[in-house]
Amino acid sequence: DAGVIQSPRHEVTEMGQEVTLRCKPISGHDYLFWYRQTMMRGLELLIYFNNNVPIDDSGMPEDRFSAKMPNASFSTLKIQPSEPRDSAVYFCASSSTVFYGYTFGSGTRLTVV
Amino acid sequence: AQSVTQLGSHVSVSEGALVLLRCNYSSSVPPYLFWYVQYPNQGLQLLLKYTTGATLVKGINGFEAEFKKSETSFHLTKPSAHMSDAAEYFCAVSDQGAGSYQLTFGKGTKLSVIP
Repeated sequence: DAGVIQSPRHEVTEMGQEVTLRCKPISGHDYLFWYRQTMMRGLELLIYFNNNVPIDDSGMPEDRFSAKMPNASFSTLKIQPSEPRDSAVYFCASSSTVFYGYTFGSGTRLTVV
Repeated sequence: AQSVTQLGSHVSVSEGALVLLRCNYSSSVPPYLFWYVQYPNQGLQLLLKYTTGATLVKGINGFEAEFKKSETSFHLTKPSAHMSDAAEYFCAVSDQGAGSYQLTFGKGTKLSVIP
């Protein structure tokens, strides 16, 4: 099992550009979570999906952020347009049941200049 | 609603000394409790968990934690710190029960190990 796979590992982009982060969850996991981690705010839940359906997006900071899960093996988090304050590490995690906890990906470090 | 409080955002110990990272939770129903570790530039990795049964749980790398219902605590300990233990540690709680899915994380405690 390759675990949760995120790409890219690092992304540097200019303010105003569109950024797309990608995640492949563990096969068989029906929950997928997107988190953002910063020094100031710590770990924040942005949105989560169950069986590819967005359940709670109340953590998405603004309309510039959107997330999709077109199938059970792929999800994207898009920021358009990006701003310097979006600079953070973005984690994807998946789970089959909370009994086992979550499995996290290695994260995407986003820098917006 | 659940919540987690980790006392001390930064803890320093000497190599070979006892590690104690504190976690208190609130939950209206019996909880599942977790500790995760995050090494620099990596994702969060499950260290150990309490679900049911024995209240003292052992995890990887010599860590253990004890669930104390009366104190609503789940403190993480290791008898002897190693340099490789330097990392950030997160406590998390979830409700037991069918359909439970969401973990609530604490703000993390960064552990430094002094040689």
